[in-house]
Amino acid sequence: DAKTTQPPSMDCAEGRAANLPCNHSTISGNEYVYWYRQIHSQGPQYIIHGLKNNETNEMASLIITEDRKSSTLILPHATLRDTAVYYCIVRVDNQGGKLIFGQGTELSVKP
Amino acid sequence: NAGVTQTPKFRILKIGQSMTLQCTQDMNHNYMYWYRQDPGMGLKLIYYSVGAGITDKGEVPNGYNVSRSTTEDFPLRLELAAPSQTSVYFCASSYLGGGPDTQYFGPGTRLTVL
Repeated sequence: DAKTTQPPSMDCAEGRAANLPCNHSTISGNEYVYWYRQIHSQGPQYIIHGLKNNETNEMASLIITEDRKSSTLILPHATLRDTAVYYCIVRVDNQGGKLIFGQGTELSVKP
Repeated sequence: NAGVTQTPKFRILKIGQSMTLQCTQDMNHNYMYWYRQDPGMGLKLIYYSVGAGITDKGEVPNGYNVSRSTTEDFPLRLELAAPSQTSVYFCASSYLGGGPDTQYFGPGTRLTVL
């Protein structure tokens, strides 16, 4: 079973920030938080990952709470092309193996 | 780089038929993976490989076989197709050796078993 909990769906207005929450209350000290998204049944796409510090890249920002039991993915200026299912995944880094995908959050960006 | 490529894109099989789903990556990645995704669900790992000649089972390996004779190729074999294997199949690859363990996915193969 997935070790994360996400809301099944969210809406966001185009141009506004999309904040996608994820709970991972049983995360271990050596587990990273990864985010992937899947646009309209294409293959999933890596977005960002982090251990305990906040992270930012050209796609998004990742905010991890101090106790690491939850995190938020932020898309700063959502566009229609960001409409997708977003998956939050926790795993130990650099050990390969499976990504455990839960149900994810279906984000709809509306004009 | 083409990344991860999969063939065919679509296929319809009859119960009991067999087929091989092809997957090739040109990024010199050591790890490769096969996932399946049923409608409205997340992906589930079928098999994975840590390098040529080495494979291991994932969450849902029953009814499938794999081989990894080269770094680039990781075919998935269905021997006796069943309706329960109707799904979208994704191949992925990643490089483990420092840096983020990011998996790159192919476009998928949509398989229907009737």
